[in-house]
Amino acid sequence: DGGITQSPKYLFRKEGQNVTLSCEQNLNHDAMYWYRQDPGQGLRLIYYSQIVNDFQKGDIAEGYSVSREKKESFPLTVTSAQKNPTAFYLCASISPGNTIYFGEGSWLTVV
Amino acid sequence: DAKTTQPPSMDCAEGRAANLPCNHSTISGNEYVYWYRQIHSQGPQYIIHGLKNNETNEMASLIITEDRKSSTLILPHATLRDTAVYYCIVPRSSGSARQLTFGSGTQLTVLP
Repeated sequence: DGGITQSPKYLFRKEGQNVTLSCEQNLNHDAMYWYRQDPGQGLRLIYYSQIVNDFQKGDIAEGYSVSREKKESFPLTVTSAQKNPTAFYLCASISPGNTIYFGEGSWLTVV
Repeated sequence: DAKTTQPPSMDCAEGRAANLPCNHSTISGNEYVYWYRQIHSQGPQYIIHGLKNNETNEMASLIITEDRKSSTLILPHATLRDTAVYYCIVPRSSGSARQLTFGSGTQLTVLP
């Protein structure tokens, strides 16, 4: 079945460390997105990519970085510059017909 | 994206219809309205989408006003498992970019 796979489901980071969250899709979608969600809050856009080797900042890009070297992969790195990284992270893609597909999310906790 | 506005929270009695409104007054003529819901910080689940006509599927009905500036998601017989945050989204294309932003959604609580 086609879909989006995020890994790991749970991740712990020590302060000062960079961590990378994986997002892989086999839907052949061009557009992919990363969101952050804090408890009781909505989804906030971090970065998005419309095509391989291209990406744009969303509303809260500071402290994050992404790459899009392959169509099916859009990894998110949470850098040490992100001062409050503990959150739930969601990856999504969108079909040409504007149907949105989500991964199951990754929980990141700073210890 | 076409900005969407939803009430932050609503309650509904179990077995009754839940009607969730959404305003999208800046929607363009070729933009669809999508509804998703999210339970306990899982990945959001697709519910329904529409352009102009009212739509119905096994989960819900979508009523879009004639001027398309607002819509209502209807869960005809709400159950406790329908308690979730419901998002109304209008993906927008701008040139080659399709930014996809969510509002805060509506927290629906179904009461026994």
